[in-house]
Amino acid sequence: AQTVTQSQPEMSVQEAETVTLSCTYDTSESNYYLFWYKQPPSRQMILVIRQEAYKQQNATENRFSVNFQKAAKSFSLKISDSQLGDTAMYFCAFMKPTTQGGSEKLVFGKGTKLTVNP
Amino acid sequence: DTGVSQDPRHKITKRGQNVTFRCDPISEHNRLYWYRQTLGQGPEFLTYFQNEAQLEKSRLLSDRFSAERPKGSFSTLEIQRTEQGDSAMYLCASSLEGGYTEAFFGQGTRLTVV
Repeated sequence: AQTVTQSQPEMSVQEAETVTLSCTYDTSESNYYLFWYKQPPSRQMILVIRQEAYKQQNATENRFSVNFQKAAKSFSLKISDSQLGDTAMYFCAFMKPTTQGGSEKLVFGKGTKLTVNP
Repeated sequence: DTGVSQDPRHKITKRGQNVTFRCDPISEHNRLYWYRQTLGQGPEFLTYFQNEAQLEKSRLLSDRFSAERPKGSFSTLEIQRTEQGDSAMYLCASSLEGGYTEAFFGQGTRLTVV
């Protein structure tokens, strides 16, 4: 079974600064997806960024980028130029792709609560 | 379409009562998932529907839990004889079929069993 570990329960950063959230995972699969989801207070979870394991290039989405180290099974999220609206719970998640019709359930870590201070 | 909708947003019930939650996925999405999120934890998978067929259930889904998705549209999750340990946020997500497609989450139903 796959497991996802987020070792930082809480983090804080000053507005406009850069912060990195850590995530490690354990799997015997060679093909999989990794995700970072954001869950703002009292709002639904939204996808921030995703990475396909077969791609060596790290994914980027505007101010968000990842450092994917497949051999080390590490998948960290870097948020540049932090904004007050980035305050949220951030969850790292793993997904094993299946054949058509199969479940592609997500396995989540426990999350990191990020606070951006003005 | 306004996204995945869940109802109610909050539910307080007495131990031993039955509760039912509803999820309306994005209309063209044929995959539907239920997750449970307890305080301080990430969401945990409960069950998965492909259209109206329930194709996977977690061992977390005890026999007091039942989920349905009649006609492959909305889904319901019922908990019978609720226990205090059932207190959690219940999240619904939907996605399209066909290889990886992004899962969209609802705002969840927060259940408190007193």
